[in-house]
Amino acid sequence: NAGVTQTPKFQVLKTGQSMTLQCAQDMNHEYMSWYRQDPGMGLRLIHYSVGAGITDQGEVPNGYNVSRSTTEDFPLRLLSAAPSQTSVYFCASSYSGAYNEQFFGPGTRLTVL
Amino acid sequence: AQSVAQPEDQVNVAEGNPLTVKCTYSVSGNPYLFWYVQYPNRGLQFLLKYITGDNLVKGSYGFEAEFNKSQTSFHLKKPSALVSDSALYFCAVRDYGNNRLAFGKGNQVVVIP
Repeated sequence: NAGVTQTPKFQVLKTGQSMTLQCAQDMNHEYMSWYRQDPGMGLRLIHYSVGAGITDQGEVPNGYNVSRSTTEDFPLRLLSAAPSQTSVYFCASSYSGAYNEQFFGPGTRLTVL
Repeated sequence: AQSVAQPEDQVNVAEGNPLTVKCTYSVSGNPYLFWYVQYPNRGLQFLLKYITGDNLVKGSYGFEAEFNKSQTSFHLKKPSALVSDSALYFCAVRDYGNNRLAFGKGNQVVVIP
């Protein structure tokens, strides 16, 4: 199993550009989520999905869109990048159920100039 | 709303000494508690979790954690620290029926040879 994969590993954008961060998992997990990690702030939940066709907002959803057309894929779209979105982004997946641990991807380091 | 506090930014410990990383939590119902570790430029790796039952939970790499309901704490411990344990440690909490996992801000652990 590849586990949770994310592409790209690094990305530099200019303010106002849009892009999609890709996330895929091959563990047949129902639950998928996106976090951003900023120094001294831990991980903050952006969006999550409990299954194909179902998404919901997390703690910091503004400026980001998601969709879940398949169980395997959960892309994160930045609509109009801003310097405040400079961060490291992690995708995670798990089986449904609040007691299940999440498996994390390697992350995407995004810089917005 | 659920939340986690990790009061110390950095924990320094000599190799071979006991290691403790503190975590307190706040939830409205019964908690599910998790510890994750992050090595430099990597995603988060699951260490251990508390769901129910025995308050002492054993996990990967010789780590254990003690759940204390009256003190709302879930401290991570290791009897004898290794230099390779130097990493960023995150505590996280979820309550029953909640799809959101709340992370603390993380503790940097430095094990001194």
